Amino acid sequence: EPEVTQTPSHQVTQMGQEVILRCVPISNHLYFYWYRQILGQKVEFLVSFYNNEISEKSEIFDDQFSVERPDGSNFTLKIRSTKLEDSAMYFCAGRRRSGRGETQYFGPGTRLLVL
Amino acid sequence: AQSVTQLGSHVSVSEGALVLLRCNYSSSVPPYLFWYVQYPNQGLQLLLKYTTGATLVKGINGFEAEFKKSETSFHLTKPSAHMSDAAEYFCAVSHNFGNEKLTFGTGTRLTIIP
Repeated sequence: EPEVTQTPSHQVTQMGQEVILRCVPISNHLYFYWYRQILGQKVEFLVSFYNNEISEKSEIFDDQFSVERPDGSNFTLKIRSTKLEDSAMYFCAGRRRSGRGETQYFGPGTRLLVL
Repeated sequence: AQSVTQLGSHVSVSEGALVLLRCNYSSSVPPYLFWYVQYPNQGLQLLLKYTTGATLVKGINGFEAEFKKSETSFHLTKPSAHMSDAAEYFCAVSHNFGNEKLTFGTGTRLTIIP
């Protein structure tokens, strides 16, 4: 069964450094998402991406964040200058088609620690 | 705005006992509701979902949930817990057409006592 994969599984970085989190969605998926979960808190929506552009972003997703799908395969989340409060588990998700009932398939997550 | 509340961040049940994980929602439109499970070091896996139709929804691994509009609830149950059910469980609600982002509850960690 196809799975969403994410790399790396864990990343430790210094405050102010750039990080790129990578996701390989299921090949026939068209809609893509990033969510994050700060330790002990809710899973929060960051951004949705469709047809090579952002369709919605949360207020968390400020100018320090960007997403792209450069090669039609990988879906990346870049944080340009990390802050301590960016430490969290980041989940990528994908969905085949439009519709509120359509299942989002999640990757295993990347645990980011900013020191 | 939609929101989800999960009562009990930690629930422990004995093996073979009933599992009941609570989820209440708030939604300005008819809700689409989901339960996801996360096993250690794995991603979020869909257990079951309610969209329309029958309010009792059956999912994988023997879990089921009942949508009760009058109580704004979508509690997850399993008649007999198994050791392999130990995981974190998340309730979520889907937003309107468009990007269909999910709003999650804070999660409930289920521990099974042998």
